[in-house]
Amino acid sequence: KNEVEQSPQNLTAQEGEFITINCSYSVGISALHWLQQHPGGGIVSLFMLSSGKKKHGRLIATINIQEKHSSLHITASHPRDSAVYICAPSENEKLTFGTGTRLTIIP
Amino acid sequence: DVKVTQSSRYLVKRTGEKVFLECVQDMDHENMFWYRQDPGLGLRLIYFSYDVKMKEKGDIPEGYSVSREKKERFSLILESASTNQTSMYLCASYSGAYEETQYFGPGTRLLVL
Repeated sequence: KNEVEQSPQNLTAQEGEFITINCSYSVGISALHWLQQHPGGGIVSLFMLSSGKKKHGRLIATINIQEKHSSLHITASHPRDSAVYICAPSENEKLTFGTGTRLTIIP
Repeated sequence: DVKVTQSSRYLVKRTGEKVFLECVQDMDHENMFWYRQDPGLGLRLIYFSYDVKMKEKGDIPEGYSVSREKKERFSLILESASTNQTSMYLCASYSGAYEETQYFGPGTRLLVL
């Protein structure tokens, strides 16, 4: 069993829809990262959270430490949100990565 | 803004060649990492370094070595490239401060023929 499971693996939605990507993990963590990877490879960190909820623009990330689960939400999705979203629990500086959720937003 | 740069975006090498991948960061970060990313497997840690001349093996160090002679530069070395090392290689750096995150380079796509 993978230490980090993301669902769904692929998601296609219409512009404007509310998007939820889920992440469950079995490793011990000090924090959890959500990363975004666009075609071409570059990875950008969206959030790092160790409890509760964080919001940045249209993006919201939540984490439930007891249940070992995190979610990434995108409100009012836009085609430029199309990317691979990667969940990565971390223990100190060491990250363990999920295989990612490929999100495609259709205009 | 933190900038992490990698020496090449694309690289084609032959089996048996020695390959150097270089990563430079400009934010005086203590910690630097080398990952490889393969379809269906996600990112996997090859090596990391938490200080100059210090290094630790990650999850898949076999076939690789690293060098950190200066704080800003972390090199990944493939001593004798093999076809199963064809992959996307990503470097990252991290200050270690609370609530800080890792910053990634643009990646090097390596093809070993």
